[in-house]
Amino acid sequence: ELKVEQNPLFLSMQEGKNYTIYCNYSTTSDRLYWYRQDPGKSLESLFVLLSNGAVKQEGRLMASLDTKARLSTLHITAAVHDLSATYFCAGRAPNFGNEKLTFGTGTRLTIIP
Amino acid sequence: DTGVSQNPRHKITKRGQNVTFRCDPISEHNRLYWYRQTLGQGPEFLTYFQNEAQLEKSRLLSDRFSAERPKGSFSTLEIQRTEQGDSAMYLCASRPAGGGYNEQFFGPGTRLTVL
Repeated sequence: ELKVEQNPLFLSMQEGKNYTIYCNYSTTSDRLYWYRQDPGKSLESLFVLLSNGAVKQEGRLMASLDTKARLSTLHITAAVHDLSATYFCAGRAPNFGNEKLTFGTGTRLTIIP
Repeated sequence: DTGVSQNPRHKITKRGQNVTFRCDPISEHNRLYWYRQTLGQGPEFLTYFQNEAQLEKSRLLSDRFSAERPKGSFSTLEIQRTEQGDSAMYLCASRPAGGGYNEQFFGPGTRLTVL
């Protein structure tokens, strides 16, 4: 069964700094998702990574996938306050017909002015 | 607004009562999912529909839980004889058929509090 772990669970960083959130998964996952959740709100899709070596960037966020290491990273560049949120990664076990996403426990990011 | 919608947004009930939530997916999305999220945790998969067929159910979905999608459009999730442990955010998601880009779009959720 696929298990997804994120670290750190909590992250406080100053504006302007760079940092990386790590997402490890236990067994094969044929795709890796990153979502953002603001307090009391639903999940907003950020990235879908479909293959080894995939890299996607949007603004100050960049996500990458290493399927051999079973690792995805979400890199934050020059953080700004409005990036404060909880970030989740999720994988999907590549069983035929499997539609279930398995989420990590999330990384709560707080950007300090 | 063409996103996933859920009603009600909040529900407070007493232990032992039955509750029903509704999810309206994005139009033309034939796949619909229910997840449960407790405080400080990531969403946990409950069940999945392709059109009106319920194709997968989690072990988390006890016999007190039932989900339907009778016409392949909206879906309902019913919890019978609620327990305090059922308190959570219930999230619905949908996605279109086919393609390798299997992004699920989430609704705003229904927050259930069982007293």
